[in-house]
Amino acid sequence: EAGVAQSPRYKIIEKRQSVAFWCNPISGHATLYWYQQILGQGPKLLIQFQNNGVVDDSQLPKDRFSAERLKGVDSTLKIQPAKLEDSAVYLCASSSQVLGYEQYFGPGTRLTVT
Amino acid sequence: QKEVEQDPGPLSVPEGAIVSLNCTYSNSAFQYFMWYRQYSRKGPELLMYTYSSGNKEDGRFTAQVDKSSKYISLFIRDSQPSDSATYLCAMSASTGGFKTIFGAGTRLFVKA
Repeated sequence: EAGVAQSPRYKIIEKRQSVAFWCNPISGHATLYWYQQILGQGPKLLIQFQNNGVVDDSQLPKDRFSAERLKGVDSTLKIQPAKLEDSAVYLCASSSQVLGYEQYFGPGTRLTVT
Repeated sequence: QKEVEQDPGPLSVPEGAIVSLNCTYSNSAFQYFMWYRQYSRKGPELLMYTYSSGNKEDGRFTAQVDKSSKYISLFIRDSQPSDSATYLCAMSASTGGFKTIFGAGTRLFVKA
């Protein structure tokens, strides 16, 4: 079974630039999560999708972050414009709808904003 | 006060030692209690989960949940150098779509 795929693995941008991350979840997983993990901290949920609908985006900085999950499969997370404090690892995870406690994570995208 | 508190360590132990990792939480609505392991530059991987209170054992790993004290633990027996990683506790409830709250993670080093 293929795992959660993410790209790119690394990205360096200057502040005020834009960046996009892509995620392909495990086949058949209805729920997709985007987390932000700052160095030395645990993952923080940014947005959770159930199929292509948003379940929770209460911690998504909506003035600069946006996410979509078209057709209920792949997802894209965008930051525009980036700030220095956005430097972090962005993790995508997926789970089945009924086993939300069993999340499978991708390798993450390490973003550095200079 | 954070919803989930976890001592970041680092925790350094000799090979073969018993390791105890702990978290406390404040939200009594949590029903599912998970432990994830994260190696450097990798995504977290689920080690174990427990539903409500009680113990669960899987090989060298034992998870305990005490809901009355809002305290969870992970024990690692016969620790190995390959266990060196960051251990994240996480908690969620089925209401609200399993929104998961993670602890800060404890860095563990097992010395050969």
